[in-house]
Amino acid sequence: RKEVEQDPGPFNVPEGATVAFNCTYSNSASQSFFWYRQDCRKEPKLLMSVYSSGNEDGRFTAQLNRASQYISLLIRDSKLSDSATYLCVVKYRGGFKTIFGAGTRLFVKA
Amino acid sequence: DAEITQSPRHKITETGRQVTLACHQTWNHNNMFWYRQDLGHGLRLIHYSYGVQDTNKGEVSDGYSVSRSNTEDLPLTLESAASSQTSVYFCASSEGQQTDTQYFGPGTRLTVL
Repeated sequence: RKEVEQDPGPFNVPEGATVAFNCTYSNSASQSFFWYRQDCRKEPKLLMSVYSSGNEDGRFTAQLNRASQYISLLIRDSKLSDSATYLCVVKYRGGFKTIFGAGTRLFVKA
Repeated sequence: DAEITQSPRHKITETGRQVTLACHQTWNHNNMFWYRQDLGHGLRLIHYSYGVQDTNKGEVSDGYSVSRSNTEDLPLTLESAASSQTSVYFCASSEGQQTDTQYFGPGTRLTVL
């Protein structure tokens, strides 16, 4: 079993739709959580950190459920420009070990 | 503006050759990382460094080496390239705290024939 698992998709949604991605992690020692975005053939870029109480950044909302060991990303009012791969990232305590999920592909269509 | 660059951006080499991929950052970050990205695996950590003269193995370090002689550079060397090392390689850096964001370079696409 992978340490960080994501549904690879692809998710195909129309503009304006709401879409949610989940990510599960297996190690309870995980401390920090992030969502990165990666465009085709480009480098990953930080989308948002995920805080225990949940956090929002514009149309994006991230949630963390430590008991069930998953994090989620909700995108409201999807735009064409949201088409990308979304990477779930988990960092462990006591070091810089960082585990990246394989990513979920999103296609937003007009 | 501060940045992180990688060179070359594309490289084709033959099995058995030594290859070095360059990574240079101008943020003065302490931490630098090398990842490889393959379909279905996501990003996997090869080596990382917390500072000058410090290097550490990641989860897929076999066949790779790094050295950190200054803050700005962390070159990645494939000692004897193998076809299994065909991949996209990303370098990243972060300032110093565990929660710090990692900033990625544009990547190097390496093909080993």
